[in-house]
Amino acid sequence: DVVLTQTPVSLLISLGGQASISCRSSQSLVHSNGNTYLHWYLQKPGQSPQLLIYQVSNRFSGIPDRFSGSGSGTDFTLKISRVEPEDLGVYYCLQRTHNPPTFGAGTKLELK
Amino acid sequence: QIQLVQSGPELKKPGESVKISCKASGYTFTDYAMHWVKQAPGKGLKWMGWINTYTGKPTYADDFKGRFVFSLEASASTANLQISNLKNEDTATYFCARGEGIKAFAYWGQGTLVTVSS
Repeated sequence: DVVLTQTPVSLLISLGGQASISCRSSQSLVHSNGNTYLHWYLQKPGQSPQLLIYQVSNRFSGIPDRFSGSGSGTDFTLKISRVEPEDLGVYYCLQRTHNPPTFGAGTKLELK
Repeated sequence: QIQLVQSGPELKKPGESVKISCKASGYTFTDYAMHWVKQAPGKGLKWMGWINTYTGKPTYADDFKGRFVFSLEASASTANLQISNLKNEDTATYFCARGEGIKAFAYWGQGTLVTVSS
């Protein structure tokens, strides 16, 4: 199975600051069709995961442009600028290029 | 709007069975797969498998073969997860999530907490 390694495990950020989360894959996430199925989620306490970014860099409906995704191959990054209180929670990356789908272990974003 | 509404929390004893439902609305149920994801308390997300809502064929991840059964009540736009011979390690929140090919899971249920305790 593909292993997704997220770093850091936790992140202390001041309101208005910037956060960067890395997701590294044990193998390339480029599908044979040329697309890369690496997605980012935020899970707020007591809630289900919500989709932020799909296929590396596309913001899902209603997601503010403070969230951006980048990367290619095996190395991906989620950046959150101007952190707001509602951004706090655990961020997960998910790959669907290879079966079975696998998630990163998560990065907890907390206020400094 | 698209919604997945899951059944309520369950408290079970080891060895018992549980059935969780996930009712879909706001789209044609049989046009999209339904996936299941497990989250143990304080832990991350683990994909359990999926069911083809058109054919009813389930596919299970390796760790979820044997005691786990995905089923449908297509006329009610509902997907079900049944777990038999419950063990303490089955204590978790179980999520359903709508699947579209190999794209991201864009819509999730609110989760169902299953607690297994003697």
